[in-house]
Amino acid sequence: SAVISQKPSRDICQRGTSLTIQCQVDSQVTMMFWYRQQPGQSLTLIATANQGSEATYESGFVIDKFPISRPNLTFSTLTVSNMSPEDSSIYLCSVDEGWGDTFGSGTRLTVV
Amino acid sequence: DAKTTQPPSMDCAEGRAANLPCNHSTISGNEYVYWYRQIHSQGPQYIIHGLKNNETNEMASLIITEDRKSSTLILPHATLRDTAVYYCIVRVPNAGGTSYGKLTFGQGTILTVHP
Repeated sequence: SAVISQKPSRDICQRGTSLTIQCQVDSQVTMMFWYRQQPGQSLTLIATANQGSEATYESGFVIDKFPISRPNLTFSTLTVSNMSPEDSSIYLCSVDEGWGDTFGSGTRLTVV
Repeated sequence: DAKTTQPPSMDCAEGRAANLPCNHSTISGNEYVYWYRQIHSQGPQYIIHGLKNNETNEMASLIITEDRKSSTLILPHATLRDTAVYYCIVRVPNAGGTSYGKLTFGQGTILTVHP
């Protein structure tokens, strides 16, 4: 299965600032996904990122708040913009390998 | 995608089989049943998936009822490291049929394996 490197693993940020999370995959994949996991909750899909096209956002998530880049088949970034304490969560990327998904280890974000 | 129902928690003794049930009574004919687990502070991990036949791999077995309205994930010899949240998800292939589209996670079952 693919190996995913997600950075940073954790960060503490001031409200009103932005954080960009990187997801690097060791093989070329078509579909990448970004999830949010709020404290004590399950995972919620933010958006699907395909190379060469705009990301597709789920209901409740907008591009201005969570801009995504997908410049090639091995890399994607998610930016959490104008952060507030409510954005404190774990953010995870995943790739669809055809038989199942492989997830990164997540970015634990705390907004103060 | 069809909704799934799982018990919120289960216990299992180490070395015994863990049988985790999942109800997906509204599953469509082309929807697959997927199982993932999330060990504390880690990303989810793929376990197994199936359409209508029972499946087995090195991690687990998946038993799907004939009417496909429910399934059971079986960990044959649970260990303490199997303590995790287990998610049952139904998923439809994307339009091209080359991948299986997005995952919709429910609350899952917290499995606790005790000595």
